[in-house]
Amino acid sequence: EAGVTQFPSHSVIEKGQTVTLRCDPISGHDNLYWYRRVMGKEIKFLLHFVKESKQDESGMPNNRFLAERTGGTYSTLKVQPAELEDSGVYFCASSQVVRTENYGYTFGSGTRLTVV
Amino acid sequence: GQQLNQSPQSMFIQEGEDVSMNCTSSSIFNTWLWYKQDPGEGPVLLIALYKAGELTSNGRLTAQFGITRKDSFLNISASIPSDVGIYFCAGQKNAGNNRKLIWGLGTSLAVNP
Repeated sequence: EAGVTQFPSHSVIEKGQTVTLRCDPISGHDNLYWYRRVMGKEIKFLLHFVKESKQDESGMPNNRFLAERTGGTYSTLKVQPAELEDSGVYFCASSQVVRTENYGYTFGSGTRLTVV
Repeated sequence: GQQLNQSPQSMFIQEGEDVSMNCTSSSIFNTWLWYKQDPGEGPVLLIALYKAGELTSNGRLTAQFGITRKDSFLNISASIPSDVGIYFCAGQKNAGNNRKLIWGLGTSLAVNP
């Protein structure tokens, strides 16, 4: 099966511009997560979708970040306007809803965002 | 905020050597996960641990979930060049619908052939 796909793989934008990242989860996976790794720091949770609903968005840094998952399929993460500190690698992950304890995710390859 | 302390930060070893890394936390987690990230790729799950005291192996990898549920270690035996990468521990509380992962900073492993 196809894995989690993220677009673009790299993006370089100027401060103040807008960037939209896209994630296509594994087909049938209801859970979709966004994470971010800023250089030198740990991977941090941003938000969690269950189908099209935001289950937990406690990790979103501020209101410059907007995540959507229309129809419960792919998701977009928009940063507007981008600031220098938004630079990092943005990972998307998906998982099935299961009744066992196996909540391991499948991650995409990430989008490396550089704001200059 | 919640933190996982992962050590060592980096390791440089000779092929064939064994490797050990660990994570500790001040918080209790119900699930510990170990991931490996290759350059340009996302983290890939290596081992998942669900019960305190659990010891699980995956080929040359062995991981244990500490009995206090606040720590975990990962051992790699007889390292090979393809073991190079960044290894992350991650904890999950599994409280209700909260499935978010708390991550360590990672251990960068280099293997000299």
